[in-house]
Amino acid sequence: DTGVSQNPRHKITKRGQNVTFRCDPISEHNRLYWYRQTLGQGPEFLTYFQNEAQLEKSRLLSDRFSAERPKGSFSTLEIQRTEQGDSAMYLCASSLWGRDIQYFGAGTRLSVL
Amino acid sequence: GNSVTQMEGPVTLSEEAFLTINCTYTATGYPSLFWYVQYPGEGLQLLLKATKADDKGSNKGFEATYRKETTSFHLEKGSVQVSDSAVYFCALCSEDDMRFGAGTRLTVKP
Repeated sequence: DTGVSQNPRHKITKRGQNVTFRCDPISEHNRLYWYRQTLGQGPEFLTYFQNEAQLEKSRLLSDRFSAERPKGSFSTLEIQRTEQGDSAMYLCASSLWGRDIQYFGAGTRLSVL
Repeated sequence: GNSVTQMEGPVTLSEEAFLTINCTYTATGYPSLFWYVQYPGEGLQLLLKATKADDKGSNKGFEATYRKETTSFHLEKGSVQVSDSAVYFCALCSEDDMRFGAGTRLTVKP
């Protein structure tokens, strides 16, 4: 069990650029979650997968945000046409099943200049 | 909809003081309740959990009881240590939803 891994740890980009983050969950976990966390706030739930199926999309912040988990293993979160307001920590978590303990990665910190 | 309301911080205590961080929730159905902790420079990690009414979660001297009648899950510790300084998050998880409180920053002074 190597834990949840997120890459990159830090990303600096210019406004208008696209960015993609990767999350590798704990291998036997079926559920994978994406969150955004801004300074002084708790994680904000964005979307989640049950294996390769994305079961909740409505909480994604705008249509510039999209996520995939093509083979039910790793996942990517893409933000198109980044804006300064997208600057935040993006967290990934995985769990065996719904309502179970989630294990969090260290996060990817995005800075949009 | 589901929501979590957590006691605002920051909280500053002396070592060996008693700690309570209040957490109340609103939910449809029967969610699981969690306390997560974030130590300085680290990611979120589970502190304790409770999956049904009247369950008590406990870990590292911390306790919280799932109270359905008061929709609460208050975190308590009888004697805090300097090493408990961190941000504490109350969270609710149902089958298809996850909500976190805003977090409470605890500082314990020697």
